[in-house]
Amino acid sequence: QSLLTQPPSASATPGQGVTISCSGSNSNIGSNYVHWYQQLPGAPPNLYIYRNNQRPSGVSDRFSGSKSGTSASLAISGLRSEDEADYYCAAWDDSLSAWVFGGGTRLTVL
Amino acid sequence: EVQLVQSGGGLVQPGGSLRLSCAASGFSFRNYAMHWVRQAPEKGLEYVSSISSSGDATFYADSVKGRFTISRDNSKNTLFLQMSSLRPEDTALYYCVRPEGSSWLDCFDIWGQGTTVTVSS
Repeated sequence: QSLLTQPPSASATPGQGVTISCSGSNSNIGSNYVHWYQQLPGAPPNLYIYRNNQRPSGVSDRFSGSKSGTSASLAISGLRSEDEADYYCAAWDDSLSAWVFGGGTRLTVL
Repeated sequence: EVQLVQSGGGLVQPGGSLRLSCAASGFSFRNYAMHWVRQAPEKGLEYVSSISSSGDATFYADSVKGRFTISRDNSKNTLFLQMSSLRPEDTALYYCVRPEGSSWLDCFDIWGQGTTVTVSS
């Protein structure tokens, strides 16, 4: 069982917005940055949000991240079919001295 | 171009050993910590191990501690993962990952293509 908790699935129609949550604890999200990754089928993950709310160059501004206490969220606006993918949150855990991932959320664009 | 080219995966019997390699190019390898992350078939991402830029600090997931050893050869720009006492639950696609910055605390940024490890009799 993952130390970071994500909903296993999310869905919305094209043009709508969706938010994916990531819940942790004081030793991970509460103390460290949260990062988000997109993984398309058959491909390695891609960094989509880093340090809670920063977007790497090339990532659409339709993607945004936020963090409050021991929880974080990834918001996607104006959904497109190409956004359909698995999304993972990750953070360093001070108690484990290890990285922890969320279980992943499969986003379906209906 | 930043590249991470992985090798060394394969089929191994339970209890066996395997060594993964990751050859880095296009950046100053000796200045970056490095990671291994794995993904079991149809499952999510799982952290495996990290090593500091100099190699003097290493970190492991509890699931592999005492069985896996991460190391690096900065003179050859290569990262290694020595895996022993392998179990069927170690079956996964293993990714070599470079962080966005020099520290193991920086986010995972550049991912290798992955190498498959299958533990089965």
